[in-house]
Amino acid sequence: EVQLVESGGGLVQPGGSLRLSCAASGFTFNSYWMSWVRQAAGKGLEWVANIKSDGGEKYYVDSVKGRFTISRDNARNSLYLQMDSLRAEDTALYYCARGYGAYYTWGQGTLVTVSS
Amino acid sequence: QSALTQPPSASGSPGQSVTISCTGASSDLGGYNSVSWYQQHPGKAPKLMIYEVNKRPSGVPDRFSGSKSGSTASLTVSGLQAEDEADYYCSSYTGSSNFVFGGGTKLTVL
Repeated sequence: EVQLVESGGGLVQPGGSLRLSCAASGFTFNSYWMSWVRQAAGKGLEWVANIKSDGGEKYYVDSVKGRFTISRDNARNSLYLQMDSLRAEDTALYYCARGYGAYYTWGQGTLVTVSS
Repeated sequence: QSALTQPPSASGSPGQSVTISCTGASSDLGGYNSVSWYQQHPGKAPKLMIYEVNKRPSGVPDRFSGSKSGSTASLTVSGLQAEDEADYYCSSYTGSSNFVFGGGTKLTVL
């Protein structure tokens, strides 16, 4: 069964950092682009970042450039999102998703709350 | 990277058809055929329903169909069923490996 399981969310103060993880199973992880998509409570989806299968290309939405870093460890079948200089507007449920534009598989999400 | 424009709500009776629009610009939706649609039930993760404008992943009923004309994409749900009630989001490639979603449409089955 294809599965993505996110972890690492929590409550953090503005200006703080958090590292999200996504454990993948049931498919050949190193063959796929992977992405992070977030959703604030009661709001729509927002693409955050994606990374090529070999980790050689990374792209970000303008609002997180310079603050977030996407990475992956193909040996561990894991995707990461390092989030620094967090702001209140980064508060959201963060989903890990398999794919490049068309996201075939989604995790259940991990909640990030930025508040003092 | 402005969000694509979707109507906030749509509705139809069981058995009817409903179409949800998604409007962008020539720099995103109008310039590429990488348009996807997602269904999201409350408290659940999104589910891919349509990709590359009009292709259905395995397991998605053929009641769901997609199309595009210029800078507007559409999702049509035929033969509405109670379980189709959900939020629907469109997504498009915007160039430079960036993507954007629409604001979402809440579909109500009357």
